[in-house]
Amino acid sequence: EAGVAQSPRYKIIEKRQSVAFWCNPISGHATLYWYQQILGQGPKLLIQFQNNGVVDDSQLPKDRFSAERLKGVDSTLKIQPAKLEDSAVYLCASSFVAGGPDEQFFGPGTRLTVL
Amino acid sequence: AQSVAQPEDQVNVAEGNPLTVKCTYSVSGNPYLFWYVQYPNRGLQFLLKYITGDNLVKGSYGFEAEFNKSQTSFHLKKPSALVSDSALYFCAVREPYRGANNLFFGTGTRLTVIP
Repeated sequence: EAGVAQSPRYKIIEKRQSVAFWCNPISGHATLYWYQQILGQGPKLLIQFQNNGVVDDSQLPKDRFSAERLKGVDSTLKIQPAKLEDSAVYLCASSFVAGGPDEQFFGPGTRLTVL
Repeated sequence: AQSVAQPEDQVNVAEGNPLTVKCTYSVSGNPYLFWYVQYPNRGLQFLLKYITGDNLVKGSYGFEAEFNKSQTSFHLKKPSALVSDSALYFCAVREPYRGANNLFFGTGTRLTVIP
């Protein structure tokens, strides 16, 4: 089966600019996650969707970050305006269901550099 | 609150020798525990998980992990290391009764297998 797709793979922007990342999960996976992985750290959850509804966005900096999954399939994460500290790899993951022991499947990530 | 500790930032082992990557956790109740591996410029790849039952869990590529409830540990092991095992390894924990399915990751351990 096809894995989790993400684009772009790399993005370089200047601070205060806007950027958007796209993710297409594994077919049939109802749950989609966005993680932020800063260099030298483990991934940190930003937001979790179940179908097109938000399950957990407690770690999402809502003043600048937004995410949507309008049709319950692919998702977009946006940063507006970007700050230097947003430089990180943004990982998208999906799983079949939420609340169970299913492992999450990760995409290759988008490496964001904010100058 | 959930937490995961990977006490070693770096582990070096000679090819053919056994390897161990350590992980301890803190969580309320019985945890779900996971190991993921990350190769350069790639997303996280699932290795194995502990849900319940046998404390020794076998996973992909000859890896296994032992759940020790009294020591709150979930160390990753392999009897004979390969150079291709060199990568970044992440331990993760989730509380199973939470409605959300997000994982809490450790900071990662970089494994280098020396030829």
